[in-house]
Amino acid sequence: RKEVEQDPGPFNVPEGATVAFNCTYSNSASQSFFWYRQDCRKEPKLLMSVYSSGNEDGRFTAQLNRASQYISLLIRDSKLSDSATYLCVVDTGTASKLTFGTGTRLQVTL
Amino acid sequence: SQTIHQWPATLVQPVGSPLSLECTVEGTSNPNLYWYRQAAGRGLQLLFYSVGIGQISSEVPQNLSASRPQDRQFILSSKKLLLSDSGFYLCAWSGTREQFFGPGTRLTVL
Repeated sequence: RKEVEQDPGPFNVPEGATVAFNCTYSNSASQSFFWYRQDCRKEPKLLMSVYSSGNEDGRFTAQLNRASQYISLLIRDSKLSDSATYLCVVDTGTASKLTFGTGTRLQVTL
Repeated sequence: SQTIHQWPATLVQPVGSPLSLECTVEGTSNPNLYWYRQAAGRGLQLLFYSVGIGQISSEVPQNLSASRPQDRQFILSSKKLLLSDSGFYLCAWSGTREQFFGPGTRLTVL
């Protein structure tokens, strides 16, 4: 089993749609969870941390289910500029090392 | 604020040639530093990480080495490049939890 698993997509959605990405992780000792965004041929950039209580940042909502070892990202009112690859990221518990999922590609169209 | 620099941005090297990629961080002290490689269409693979000057941990056996001669400088090297060393090399730093990436070096080995 991969340490972090994501549906690779691509998800093709029209502008204004709501889209959800899911991710599962295998290390039950993980304590920190993140979503990163990576544009084509660019470095990954932190989108948001994920907290146990769930958290929201504008159109983006992240949820964590520790019992199921499952993380989600919801994007409401999709914009063309949201087109990117979204990486689910989980800590390994040592030396601030992180494990990155292979990403889910989102394409928002007119 | 913290910034991270990498150079060069792109590099084309022949097989068997040496390699030196440099990463520097500004605006923070004693960061954890990381080297990742991302092959075309693949996820991020952690190559090396460092928790302090002269302290290097290697994650995967390979043709590459890393050094940290100063607190905020991290260098990735190879004595003889292989075709399989081609990829997008990313340096990252972290304080406590999240990691922040430099702009990356795109290496093509011919």
